[in-house]
Amino acid sequence: EDKVVQSPLSLVVHEGDTVTLNCSYEVTNFRSLLWYKQEKKAPTFLFMLTSSGIEKKSGRLSSILDKKELFSILNITATQTGDSAVYLCAVFHYNTDKLIFGTGTRLQVFP
Amino acid sequence: DVKVTQSSRYLVKRTGEKVFLECVQDMDHENMFWYRQDPGLGLRLIYFSYDVKMKEKGDIPEGYSVSREKKERFSLILESASTNQTSMYLCASTPGGESYEQYFGPGTRLTVT
Repeated sequence: EDKVVQSPLSLVVHEGDTVTLNCSYEVTNFRSLLWYKQEKKAPTFLFMLTSSGIEKKSGRLSSILDKKELFSILNITATQTGDSAVYLCAVFHYNTDKLIFGTGTRLQVFP
Repeated sequence: DVKVTQSSRYLVKRTGEKVFLECVQDMDHENMFWYRQDPGLGLRLIYFSYDVKMKEKGDIPEGYSVSREKKERFSLILESASTNQTSMYLCASTPGGESYEQYFGPGTRLTVT
């Protein structure tokens, strides 16, 4: 059965800390892995990763994919209170065009 | 900017009522999806559609049906609402082809009493 597992489930840090969120997957017919940030409403897109070892960066956020070990990490440096959210990882299934989501990591950043 | 809208942000219905959740996207996307999101369970796919009048079951289709009469509109129907269908419902769309990014609507929080 295809599955996506995120860890930790929850994380509490202080502003300025660096955090690493993990996403491992067991998905047949993997096509790509996506990261989303969800605050109070709908998830918003962060990154899409298709190739191993190529880091994607956007400001203080970065992500990388390891297709051999079947995982991805999302790094956030110098965290701010506005980074508080649930971060979702999802894997796109090649044949069905379906996204398989992990349960998310809840990040809380305190001043 | 892609826009995905959902008909209601909050909805309260009684057990046994028929419930319609509407989703509209304005970017001519091929694919549309309905998810429900529950604490500890993440997003689970209910139904999706590749084209007008086409639908495919997702992971948890029981108790739901869908309708896609026009390309821009994808409706989720709860034939007879039950309390275990209390949840956040999210609609998403994607262009199809080589584009995998899903654009989400704001969500509808449905409470069934």
